[in-house]
Amino acid sequence: SAVISQKPSRDICQRGTSLTIQCQVDSQVTMMFWYRQQPGQSLTLIATANQGSEATYESGFVIDKFPISRPNLTFSTLTVSNMSPEDSSIYLCSVGFSGGQYFGPGTRLTVL
Amino acid sequence: AQSVTQLDSQVPVFEEAPVELRCNYSSSVSVYLFWYVQYPNQGLQLLLKYLSGSTLVESINGFEAEFNKSQTSFHLRKPSVHISDTAEYFCAVTPMNRDDKIIFGKGTRLHILP
Repeated sequence: SAVISQKPSRDICQRGTSLTIQCQVDSQVTMMFWYRQQPGQSLTLIATANQGSEATYESGFVIDKFPISRPNLTFSTLTVSNMSPEDSSIYLCSVGFSGGQYFGPGTRLTVL
Repeated sequence: AQSVTQLDSQVPVFEEAPVELRCNYSSSVSVYLFWYVQYPNQGLQLLLKYLSGSTLVESINGFEAEFNKSQTSFHLRKPSVHISDTAEYFCAVTPMNRDDKIIFGKGTRLHILP
């Protein structure tokens, strides 16, 4: 299994600002994923981030709103740009392993 | 394409009583199956998984799930629940050999009543 940490664990932000979330893994992994979990909902995949290539975004998510970096095999960042109250969610990163994914503890974001 | 149906959005159960959380899936290809647990204000933890072999899989905290291919089900059970089991439980599937694709159910909130 992989140990995944995220920073910050939670934040309260003002409308129109941006927040960068960091995801660190204790081992080298090829695929990292970013999810959003809106209040009371299941998880929705935002994008897949492979090291050395551009992130692949799911329908409904765009790079300008959710830019992602993947500088090496153990680290990734997700930025939530120009935030609005609708962006209030838990954001989780995950890593793929043979037969599934492990998840980080999540970042709980509240936008006022 | 794959889909996952968790038939109950909430399940109330008395402490020390048995519980079953239902999960059915649909897929045109073979899949791996998972149950994840999300305790209040925490991230997702992998509870148990079925990849191959014995159709009955167990977790370290007393939960078990049985893969039933004919009924396309992967129900989660525990013979005696504790207050600490209060959480949201998500069933998920991944097509075999596609680690980049995991499909979640909508989740079942388990309420433990004293």
